[in-house]
Amino acid sequence: GQQLNQSPQSMFIQEGEDVSMNCTSSSIFNTWLWYKQDPGEGPVLLIALYKAGELTSNGRLTAQFGITRKDSFLNISASIPSDVGIYFCAGLGNMLTFGGGTRLMVKP
Amino acid sequence: DTAVSQTPKYLVTQMGNDKSIKCEQNLGHDTMYWYKQDSKKFLKIMFSYNNKELIINETVPNRFSPKSPDKAHLNLHINSLELGDSAVYFCASSQLGRNYGYTFGSGTRLTVV
Repeated sequence: GQQLNQSPQSMFIQEGEDVSMNCTSSSIFNTWLWYKQDPGEGPVLLIALYKAGELTSNGRLTAQFGITRKDSFLNISASIPSDVGIYFCAGLGNMLTFGGGTRLMVKP
Repeated sequence: DTAVSQTPKYLVTQMGNDKSIKCEQNLGHDTMYWYKQDSKKFLKIMFSYNNKELIINETVPNRFSPKSPDKAHLNLHINSLELGDSAVYFCASSQLGRNYGYTFGSGTRLTVV
């Protein structure tokens, strides 16, 4: 089946630093999504990408849809403590397939 | 108003018991899903229903039986619970054909002892 490889698995950074995480797939997707999961909650959609090469921002978050349609990355600029959580990439085909997640920890 | 709501939030039960988790969405979506999140936080789809019809069944043991009385509800019944069933179960919904992603509920943490 389809597999999404997400890296890094975890990051521990200082408040104010920028963060970058990425996702690669063995298959092509026409839509890439990035979700955030807070403790005790379900994943919440952050950014959706629909076209190869597309670069989309949502506040301090920026995501790109890779040219090959097999990868995507998410950047968070000037991290703050509430950015803590697990970030998931997801590819949408006939169903939504998730990467393994990146656990982000921010030190004030 | 909660868009996708599932109950209960926590469920602790003994091996061998039968339990149900309920899910309702008020978004007017036509497709609903159940995902399982294991201890390593990996999210894996279990089932998908579109307008009360099963469209995806990802090789889940037949002890798991989803039921969709209408397109706003998708319940999950689990028979003969096993220790390995312990996980967080998420319900989600979407509108088929629209690539806006899925909206998730807040999860049900199932612990089998």
